[in-house]
Amino acid sequence: GDSVTQMEGPVTLSEEAFLTINCTYTATGYPSLFWYVQYPGEGLQLLLKATKADDKGSNKGFEATYRKETTSFHLEKGSVQVSDSAVYFCALRSGNQFYFGTGTSLTVIP
Amino acid sequence: KAGVTQTPRYLIKTRGQQVTLSCSPISGHRSVSWYQQTPGQGLQFLFEYFSETQRNKGNFPGRFSGRQFSNSRSEMNVSTLELGDSALYLCASSLLADGETQYFGPGTRLLVL
Repeated sequence: GDSVTQMEGPVTLSEEAFLTINCTYTATGYPSLFWYVQYPGEGLQLLLKATKADDKGSNKGFEATYRKETTSFHLEKGSVQVSDSAVYFCALRSGNQFYFGTGTSLTVIP
Repeated sequence: KAGVTQTPRYLIKTRGQQVTLSCSPISGHRSVSWYQQTPGQGLQFLFEYFSETQRNKGNFPGRFSGRQFSNSRSEMNVSTLELGDSALYLCASSLLADGETQYFGPGTRLLVL
């Protein structure tokens, strides 16, 4: 069945470091791909999305490119800030259903 | 535009009791989905409603049920609570029938003692 696998955390980085969170997926057809972020005590917020192969989603300095050949949607940011500390979820939509990864916790230290 | 709201935000129940959680979607959104979030299992899909009809259902026992009203507000009910039902229950709404982008509420944290 459809699924998402993302790198296990937790991830700890110093401010201004480069961030990569890996995400790969398994799906039939052509799913849409998403990254959501969850700040402490809050629900999930959409960070970015891509709906077809080679699309790049971007928001708040974060980017992810839909790679069909490697079935990946890795999240990157060139310079993280303390305020980026949160849990990041990769997700795909296949048909009417969403599938989420288990989440990667990121802590950025000053 | 107001976001997705969920009530109550926190709830404590004992085993064997039942609980009802409520979700009000963003105005105009007709699709509402429910998820259970636990540290060990991550987000697990419970069910999705669109125009008062359940369209999809996850792999949860029949103790978990839901419904959607004509104003798109949704409720989920868990009967005969078990300790393992302790979790954050998240509701998400979307505008389009195909649920392209989901917008999440803050969740209801349920503790079963």
